[in-house]
Amino acid sequence: DAGVTQTPRHEVAEKGQTIILKCEPVSGHNDLFWYRQTKIQGLELLSYFRSKSLMEDGGAFKDRFKAEMLNSSFSTLKIQPTEPKDSAVYLCASSRQGNQDTQYFGPGTRLLVL
Amino acid sequence: AQKVTQTQTSISVMEKTTVTMDCVYETQDSSYFLFWYKQTASGEIVFLIRQDSYKKENATVGHYSLNFQKPKSSIGLIITATQIEDSAVYFCAMREDQGGRALIFGTGTTVSVSP
Repeated sequence: DAGVTQTPRHEVAEKGQTIILKCEPVSGHNDLFWYRQTKIQGLELLSYFRSKSLMEDGGAFKDRFKAEMLNSSFSTLKIQPTEPKDSAVYLCASSRQGNQDTQYFGPGTRLLVL
Repeated sequence: AQKVTQTQTSISVMEKTTVTMDCVYETQDSSYFLFWYKQTASGEIVFLIRQDSYKKENATVGHYSLNFQKPKSSIGLIITATQIEDSAVYFCAMREDQGGRALIFGTGTTVSVSP
């Protein structure tokens, strides 16, 4: 089975731009997660979907970050407008369904905002 | 409140030796799940091993094993016969059964394996 895929792998944006990151979970997985990773903050949850329903939205990220699950096999994370402090690695993960299930991560998108 | 703490920032070991990493967690839930992940130099995060709180036996997968001490809220990772390729950042993570929230991660331990 294919793992979690993310595109693009690298993105460079100007301050104020809108960017959209994409994720395809493992086939058959119903839970999807978006995380952000920085050296200072480590791994932080942005959004969590179960069967396309938003279960949790990271409180600090509601303002300019919007994740959507358009169907069971595709999700997007929109950042609008981007700021230099958004420079980070954005990771998507998926799991079958249930709090007990292991999450598997995609390769990440490295975002640089100038 | 949930919390995962990894106090060791970095560890250096010689190849073919054993390395042990610490992780302590905080939870109010009686049922929870503990995970260890490895992040390679390329940035890829790979699942290694897990321990379910209700299981008394320590999990083992290949040359990875866990030292689960429930009364101490501790879940250590042990890597035996280390190889150069084990050089990476290792993250401990927890998820509560009832909380329904996503994984909570520790800050990671960087392991460097030298020949």
